[in-house]
Amino acid sequence: ELKVEQNPLFLSMQEGKNYTIYCNYSTTSDRLYWYRQDPGKSLESLFVLLSNGAVKQEGRLMASLDTKARLSTLHITAAVHDLSATYFCAVEGDSNYQLIWGAGTKLIIKP
Amino acid sequence: SAVISQKPSRDICQRGTSLTIQCQVDSQVTMMFWYRQQPGQSLTLIATANQGSEATYESGFVIDKFPISRPNLTFSTLTVSNMSPEDSSIYLCSVVPDTTYEQYFGPGTRLTVT
Repeated sequence: ELKVEQNPLFLSMQEGKNYTIYCNYSTTSDRLYWYRQDPGKSLESLFVLLSNGAVKQEGRLMASLDTKARLSTLHITAAVHDLSATYFCAVEGDSNYQLIWGAGTKLIIKP
Repeated sequence: SAVISQKPSRDICQRGTSLTIQCQVDSQVTMMFWYRQQPGQSLTLIATANQGSEATYESGFVIDKFPISRPNLTFSTLTVSNMSPEDSSIYLCSVVPDTTYEQYFGPGTRLTVT
């Protein structure tokens, strides 16, 4: 059974600092997704990582995938308050596009 | 991308009643899913909504409790039947446009059962 673990589950940090969220998964998978969710809102797609060594960047966020280690990271550079949200990783399960989700990382960035 | 709307956006329902949630997409898509997100929790896949055939349910979810219709490639409904307070959640539909790997989510329906 595919399991997805995220850590940390909660992160409070100061603006301007760097930090990394980790996503481990238990069995091989073709695709890994990162999403953002603001309080009371739906999910916004951030990145889809398709292959080993894939790296994608958008603004202050950078995601990478190591399929051998079954590990993805979401790195935040010089955090700003607007990045405060809950971040989820999700991994594709046995069937196409059926996603297994991590517990989410609640990120609070203090001015 | 895909633009997805859901109705209703929220509802408060009595125990034992049923609620039908609608999901409308602005383009034809093959892959459509229904998820549940309990308060403060992650997402759990309920089922894959298959056009023209019965939905495919995940472990722990059954058709009698969560009947799903998918009459065409732009529309689906999820019914939450015989509701109890444990059904209080956000229900989200999602789609994967045929030309991309990305999965897009609707705005969600926030259900409270009293």
